[in-house]
Amino acid sequence: EAGVAQSPRYKIIEKRQSVAFWCNPISGHATLYWYQQILGQGPKLLIQFQNNGVVDDSQLPKDRFSAERLKGVDSTLKIQPAKLEDSAVYLCASSFSETSVLYEQYFGPGTRLTVT
Amino acid sequence: AQTVTQSQPEMSVQEAETVTLSCTYDTSESDYYLFWYKQPPSRQMILVIRQEAYKQQNATENRFSVNFQKAAKSFSLKISDSQLGDAAMYFCAYDTVYGNTPLVFGKGTRLSVIA
Repeated sequence: EAGVAQSPRYKIIEKRQSVAFWCNPISGHATLYWYQQILGQGPKLLIQFQNNGVVDDSQLPKDRFSAERLKGVDSTLKIQPAKLEDSAVYLCASSFSETSVLYEQYFGPGTRLTVT
Repeated sequence: AQTVTQSQPEMSVQEAETVTLSCTYDTSESDYYLFWYKQPPSRQMILVIRQEAYKQQNATENRFSVNFQKAAKSFSLKISDSQLGDAAMYFCAYDTVYGNTPLVFGKGTRLSVIA
């Protein structure tokens, strides 16, 4: 079974530029998460999708971050314009979907973003 | 809101020895799940072990075991017979029983294994 795919693996941009990350979850996984992991900290949720609908985006800085999941499969996360504090690893995770049943979250390899 | 605290930023262990990583958490829920994840330099988060709060028996997975103290809200990870490949960041994480909820992570503990 193929894992969660993410691209690019690394990205370096200057502040105020825009950047986009792509995630392809495991086939059949309806739930998709984007986490931000700042150096020295654990991952924190940015946004959660259930199929192509948003479940939780309360921690997403909506003035600069946007995300979409077209057709309930692939997802893109965009930052525009980027700030220095956006330097982090962006992790995508997916899980099978069913309420009140714990399904393991599978993580992609992440994208390391450096904003200079 | 739930919180997870890992008070050991770094730990080291001699190869073949045993090491224990600490984690405490705070929640008002009676049922929940706790996890330990390993993150090597490749950045891939790998599930090491999972504990259901309603189970009194501590989870074990080969060389990895936990000491789950529900009343104390403590969840430590013991790694026995440490190997060089165990060197990584280890994160303690919390999840609700409702399913399809985001994980709440601690800040992590960096484990070094000395040959």
